[in-house]
Amino acid sequence: EIVMTQSPATLSVSPGERAALSCRASQSVSSNLAWYQQKPGQAPRLLIYGASTRATGIPARFSGSGSGTEFTLTISSLQSEDFAVYYCQQYNNWPPFTFGPGTKVDIK
Amino acid sequence: EVQLLESGGGLVQSGGSLRLSCAASGFTFNSYAMNWVRQAPGKGLEWVSGVSGGGDNTYYADSMRGRFTVSRDNSNDTLYLHMNRLRAEDTAVYYCVKGLNYDSGGYYAYWGQGTLVTVSS
Repeated sequence: EIVMTQSPATLSVSPGERAALSCRASQSVSSNLAWYQQKPGQAPRLLIYGASTRATGIPARFSGSGSGTEFTLTISSLQSEDFAVYYCQQYNNWPPFTFGPGTKVDIK
Repeated sequence: EVQLLESGGGLVQSGGSLRLSCAASGFTFNSYAMNWVRQAPGKGLEWVSGVSGGGDNTYYADSMRGRFTVSRDNSNDTLYLHMNRLRAEDTAVYYCVKGLNYDSGGYYAYWGQGTLVTVSS
């Protein structure tokens, strides 16, 4: 099973600032990596797939990069609606599909 | 518009059983794998199980294999999760999730709103 880790666990950022979230896989997942955003009481929302492709309707301030075992989700200028928990997920080696433990982005 | 509507959650005693359902609409149901993903209170996301578009292939997380059974009724566009020998650690919101393609792989663009299962000890 591929283990996904994320850092930091919590990221405190001021509105308008840039945020960089890290995701690491225990072995290579090529570019088969997705990012999700989840707000309290809501289902997760797909942001990025293929490590760097934005899903339909996702603003350009969200970008993904990386391949192999190291990935980054960058939010270029945080808006109020971006404060949430972010998860990465690998879909290269399955089953199981595995998620990272999440990074909470909160207001500084 | 893709819609996924879960039902069947509730309170059950440890060792008991429950069946979750997910009514799908807005896409050709039998062309896509379907999955269940769960989230314990205050915790992260955990993939539970998946089934291919025709129902011929099923997949499980190790901790659920032998206790949970995933199935689908393609004539009624409905996904099921039969859960037996439930444990307190199975307490979670269970999400129905549309797969990327026929055989369960990929990322998840469409999620239901979730149904809460609470297992009391």
